[in-house]
Amino acid sequence: DIQMTQSPSFLSASVGDRVTINCKASQNINKYLNWYQQKLGEAPKRLIYNTNSLQTGIPSRFSGSGSGTDYTLTISSLQPEDVATYFCQQYNSWLTFGSGTKLEIK
Amino acid sequence: QVTLKESGPGILQPSQTLSLTCTFSGFSLSTYGMGVGWIRQPSGKGLEWLANIWWDDDKYYNPSLKNRLTISKDTSNNQAFLKITNVDTADTATYYCARIELGADYWGQGVMVTVSS
Repeated sequence: DIQMTQSPSFLSASVGDRVTINCKASQNINKYLNWYQQKLGEAPKRLIYNTNSLQTGIPSRFSGSGSGTDYTLTISSLQPEDVATYFCQQYNSWLTFGSGTKLEIK
Repeated sequence: QVTLKESGPGILQPSQTLSLTCTFSGFSLSTYGMGVGWIRQPSGKGLEWLANIWWDDDKYYNPSLKNRLTISKDTSNNQAFLKITNVDTADTATYYCARIELGADYWGQGVMVTVSS
């Protein structure tokens, strides 16, 4: 099984801040990495697929990068509506998920 | 527009069999390359992939639960199903179905399932 280690588990930042969330895979996942946003009581919404491709309709302040075992989600300028839990998912071998990052506004 | 919606019993007792239905629209499970998966999330905890079924009826299961899971589909009615046998309190969770394309792209709203005596 491929394990995904996500950090931090909790993040507090101000509106306008640049925010980064990291995921580390237990082995090379060949950029088969998605990022999701889940707001309270809602289904997860995919933001980024294939490491750095922006899902249609997602604001351009969201971006992804990485390769091999290390991947990053960046929000370039945090907005109040970005309050949510974010998690990564690898699909190189079945599906496994990061443990999530809860993002709040300071 | 792709939509998925899960349905299930809400509550069941330990040792019973959990039956879940995913009804979807906006795509077909007869289309080459298409898949539907099931994922669950205990309250306040992380996500766990359970199983996928593909357009060609190929099926894949989480090895840790494989003996208890059965996934199936009804292509003509745009539905996918998951059965989990011999449930216990550890199976209490919100269960999601999702279209599988480059991982899980579209998800349903989820259905809460509680296992309690």
